[in-house]
Order: sequence, then structure tokens, then C-alpha cells
Amino acid sequence: EPEVTQTPSHQVTQMGQEVILRCVPISNHLYFYWYRQILGQKVEFLVSFYNNEISEKSEIFDDQFSVERPDGSNFTLKIRSTKLEDSAMYFCASSEALAGAGETQYFGPGTRLLVL
Amino acid sequence: DAKTTQPTSMDCAEGRAANLPCNHSTISGNEYVYWYRQIHSQGPQYIIHGLKNNETNEMASLIITEDRKSSTLILPHATLRDTAVYYCIAPSGYALNFGKGTSLLVTP
Repeated sequence: EPEVTQTPSHQVTQMGQEVILRCVPISNHLYFYWYRQILGQKVEFLVSFYNNEISEKSEIFDDQFSVERPDGSNFTLKIRSTKLEDSAMYFCASSEALAGAGETQYFGPGTRLLVL
Repeated sequence: DAKTTQPTSMDCAEGRAANLPCNHSTISGNEYVYWYRQIHSQGPQYIIHGLKNNETNEMASLIITEDRKSSTLILPHATLRDTAVYYCIAPSGYALNFGKGTSLLVTP
């Protein structure tokens, strides 16, 4: 069964450093998403991406964040200058179409980011 | 997104059916109801979704009331591995709003 994969599974970085989290969505999917979950808190939407542009973003997704689909298979989340409060699990998801249209988002296993 | 309301926690004995309720009284006519679960800090796992009709798959059944203001997720024979947080979501666009969900504990 096709699945979303994410690398690395764990990432430790120093405050102020740039990190890139990588995701390989399911191959025939067209919509891509990033969510995060701070330890003990709920899963929060960050951004959605379709047709090579951001389609929706939350208040969390500020200028420190960017997303890119550098090739036909990868989808990346870049945090330019990490802060302590960026420590969280980051989940990538993909779908064929919108959840609001009855299509399902499938999630990857996540990357645990720890900023020291 | 329609607002959803779920109980904070529930218990279920192993082997019995787990019935998880969700209220979504403000749901609009074209908003689907989705159920996901999260085991520990793993990625959210899709379970089932529906619009108006009841749905069943290999994991669960979804019963939606005729007025669509509430639904129930049924795990027919709960196992210890079904212990997780279950989320009922009614998205209208791109984002899934996970809320706090129902923490289901399946006991031996």
C-alpha cells in the first residue's frame, strides 16, 4: 500500500540554524501539507501546497517557514532560523484532492525536531 | 470547518465494540465527516469518512444520523492496539482541524 515517507525521523539542531525536513508524498497525489504537533498538544495545520504554490497557510507559518517541491517526488519544509519553540513533531500529508471534497489526507510518520 | 464536539475520554473492554460519538450540529450539507486516530506520537491514521450514508471498511463503521448533526465511530471488536486518541473532523477546505479528540483506552 502506498504511503507517505519522511526523513529524517529525528533531527537535533542548534537555535538559529536552518533545517530542511523532507517528505515523499504518495505518487499520484496532487495536494501536499505540513502539520506540526508540539509535545502534549494537538496537531496543528501549517500549510497546504498545490500546483507549485501555497494554497493555504496558518498563522504559525510565518516568514521563517517555506515549502518547496524541488522535483517530482519530494516535498520539503524549511525553517530558516530555528527557535526553541519550533521543537515539535512535523507531519507531512498528501491527498488526491481536497478533504473538503471527500478526499483523504494520508500522513507520514513524522520528523521529531529538537532545537537546543 | 464545522465545529465538532467529542468526549474527552472513554474506556472499552478488549473484544467489545467501542462506540465513539461526535457532535457536529453546524455541519453544512456538503461537508464530510472524517475520523482519524493517533497512537502515541505517530502520524495520524485515517480510519473512515462519510457524507450522508453509513460507511463500513475493514477498520470501522461510521453511523451518521439522518440530520447529519452527529455521528458514531464503531470499532466492532476493540483490541489493545486500538488504544489511541480518536479525532472527528469536518473539513471545508484544505486543512484538517484536529481538536483534542477522544482518548480511548482499551483494557484487558
